[in-house]
Amino acid sequence: EIVVTQSPATLSVSPGERAILSCRASQSVGTNLAWYQQKPGQAPRLLVYDASTRAAGIPDRFSGSGSGTEFTLTISSLQSEDFAIYYCQQYNNRPPWTFGQGTKVEIK
Amino acid sequence: QLQLQESGSGLVKPSQTLSLTCAVSGGSITIGGYSWTWIRQPPGKGLEWIGYIYHSGTTYYNPSLESRVTISIDNPQNQFSLRLTSVTAADTAVYYCAREKWPTAYLDYWGQGILVTVSP
Repeated sequence: EIVVTQSPATLSVSPGERAILSCRASQSVGTNLAWYQQKPGQAPRLLVYDASTRAAGIPDRFSGSGSGTEFTLTISSLQSEDFAIYYCQQYNNRPPWTFGQGTKVEIK
Repeated sequence: QLQLQESGSGLVKPSQTLSLTCAVSGGSITIGGYSWTWIRQPPGKGLEWIGYIYHSGTTYYNPSLESRVTISIDNPQNQFSLRLTSVTAADTAVYYCAREKWPTAYLDYWGQGILVTVSP
């Protein structure tokens, strides 16, 4: 099973600033990685898939990059609605697909 | 717009069986290129992929749960279901159903989730 590790656990950012979230896989997953946003009491929402492709309706301030074992989600200018928990998920080769433990983006 | 809605018992006694159904509307469950998935999230914790089913009936389960899990599909009713046997308190979680893009496996549509508590 591929282990996915996210850092930091919590990121304190002021509105309008840039946030950079990291995700590391225990072995190469190519570009088979997705990012999700989850707000309290809600289901996760797909933001990015295949490491860098934004899902439908996702603002362009969200961008994903990376390949192999190192990935990044960048939020270029944080809006109030972006404060949430972010998860990455690998889906390389065969199941089980695994998620990182999440990064909470909070208001500084 | 595709919608998924979980239903089932929110309270299950230890050692009994958890049963949930996911009703899909706004699209067919038999459409090619997608599989139908269950994920769970213990309170305050992260996400765990449970397994998927394809409209043909092909399934794949997380090895950590495989001995206790069954996912089935009802194509005419446009829904799929989860059974988890011999539950313990560790199975207390919000259970989500979702659509999984196949053969890549990102999850593009999710249900709202249902909290299942395992308690005597």
